[in-house]
Formats: sequence, structure tokens, C-alpha cells
Amino acid sequence: GAGVSQSPRYKVAKRGQDVALRCDPISGHVSLFWYQQALGQGPEFLTYFQNEAQLDKSGLPSDRFFAERPEGSVSTLKIQRTQQEDSAVYLCASSLIEGQGASNQPQHFGDGTRLSIL
Amino acid sequence: GENVEQHPSTLSVQEGDSAVIKCTYSDSASNYFPWYKQELGKRPQLIIDIRSNVGEKKDQRIAVTLNKTAKHFSLHITETQPEDSAVYFCAALSGGYQKVTFGTGTKLQVIP
Repeated sequence: GAGVSQSPRYKVAKRGQDVALRCDPISGHVSLFWYQQALGQGPEFLTYFQNEAQLDKSGLPSDRFFAERPEGSVSTLKIQRTQQEDSAVYLCASSLIEGQGASNQPQHFGDGTRLSIL
Repeated sequence: GENVEQHPSTLSVQEGDSAVIKCTYSDSASNYFPWYKQELGKRPQLIIDIRSNVGEKKDQRIAVTLNKTAKHFSLHITETQPEDSAVYFCAALSGGYQKVTFGTGTKLQVIP
């Protein structure tokens, strides 16, 4: 596939359970972003990877949120001890950058994972 | 950090009329401004973007203008069609790695 792929598309979990959300970026894309989108709101930045390096995790709401991209391709967002306020759509985006200081490249989004915490 | 404000939150227009959505940003270092269209339950899709060295860009019925001095940018859709109905998000990129800050969205309804 040519686009960003996310799985699962829908996830229902009970409060207190751990969840793992997967993102397959476009092949060759160096940059990978995770966003959280609450109902009726714009996406909010969570974290950013350049290859396998997590360069910014300032948007993660708490230490229950953890993201990794060990081989610089697929990324996983893990939420431990889920709470009801974690219910949202989690979007992944990737982009191709040319290097430090190069012109910005557009981000391509996946369809997201809709997470519902009961 | 960057703060992006977007207006209006909802917009209804008659088919064939024009629609304008306005955004302001706070970080003068922001240098790239994409616009995304998001249909219900779907991914945000890039529809047009503009870089800070350009004042205006047009792609068929869609145009974007940027005023760096005033730190605002706008999306213009002409000859609107029902399929233009969606939520539109403006965004601004700052920082060395394209950190995106989104506006709060505008729900556009085109009435046939």
C-alpha cells in the first residue's frame, strides 16, 4: 500500500487495561508523528520520531503514554492503565524530509485508531 | 509554543457561493502552512499548502493567502459544491522538524 496504515481501526478497552496502537508509515518516510484527536477538535501533537530516534515527546499527556519506533519504520503507541479521558482518535502521520534545514514536506495521515475506554 | 486560532467554527454556504476560512498564528518562526480537509471518520487530507516566502497560492477552486506581517492566512473556496462539505483544519509548522499545530477546525456545509 502507498499510504500510512494504522491498526486496529477501532479498539474498545475497559478502564485500567493496556492498549497498543500500530502505525505503518509510507515506505522511506523518515519522520513519524502521533496525534490525538478528541471529538470535534483538531489533532493535537503527541510525539515525533526521526527514524528510530524519538526527538520530541512533549505532547504525551502522562507517563502512561509510551511510543517507540525501534527500527525506524513501524511505530507503536502504548497506553497503560487506560482512563476514560484517553478515548479519542489516535492519528499517525509520516513525511519525507530531505535533511536538516530543508524545506518542509507535507505530512500524510493514516485513518486513525478510534479508541473507546469503557 | 505555537498557537493557531481558526474562524469561523461553522460555515454554511449555498452551492456555487464562495467560502472563506481564516486563521492566525503566534510564532513568527512558523514557515509552512498546510490546510487539511477531514470528512467524518476519515483521515485528514492535505488540500493545499503555502510556504512563508509566498503570499498566495491557487489550485483550481482553492486558494490560500498568507500575510506574514499580520501572522494570518486564509483559505478561499470558490464555486462551492456539496462534496466540499467537511471539516477544514489550518495548521502551522515551526521548529526544525515540522511540528504541526492545528487550528480548531471549521465545519463547512454546502447547501445544494
